[in-house]
Amino acid sequence: EPEVTQTPSHQVTQMGQEVILRCVPISNHLYFYWYRQILGQKVEFLVSFYNNEISEKSEIFDDQFSVERPDGSNFTLKIRSTKLEDSAMYFCASSDGSSNTEAFFGQGTRLTVV
Amino acid sequence: QKEVEQNSGPLSVPEGAIASLNCTYSDRGSQSFFWYRQYSGKSPELIMSIYSNGDKEDGRFTAQLNKASQYVSLLIRDSQPSDSATYLCAVNMNDYKLSFGAGTTVTVRA
Repeated sequence: EPEVTQTPSHQVTQMGQEVILRCVPISNHLYFYWYRQILGQKVEFLVSFYNNEISEKSEIFDDQFSVERPDGSNFTLKIRSTKLEDSAMYFCASSDGSSNTEAFFGQGTRLTVV
Repeated sequence: QKEVEQNSGPLSVPEGAIASLNCTYSDRGSQSFFWYRQYSGKSPELIMSIYSNGDKEDGRFTAQLNKASQYVSLLIRDSQPSDSATYLCAVNMNDYKLSFGAGTTVTVRA
């Protein structure tokens, strides 16, 4: 069964460093998303990406964040100048772009900023 | 006003019973509604989607949608210990994002 894969599963970084979280969406999907979940809190939308550009972004997704689809398979989230409060689970998701927009999530990357 | 609200739980049910989960949403124009199951430390797993008013059944799960009342529910029949998880209601506000509720934690007692 096709699935969204994310690497790494766990990333520890020092405050102020840059991290890149990687995702391989399901191959025939057209819409890609990043969500995050701070421990004990709800899943929050960060950004959606379609046709090689950002479709929508939340207030969380400020200049510290960027996304890129560097090739035909990978979708990345870059976080610059990481802060302690960036520590969270980051989930990549994808959907096929049909009107039903069922989104399937990867297993997540746990980011710990120390 | 929160976009998606769920009954806070936790909800404890005996094995074999029905677990009933509720969700309300604020955007009357929402078109797509989803239930995800999330085990502790894991990612959300899509278990049900519903788009039209009424009921939709899939195995032991039944989703109900009432757009006039802006209400979505999930029933889990014959609850099993493996159903113990947090259930997330998610609503598609437009084509590009899901808004999630805070989740309801269900514990099924053996």
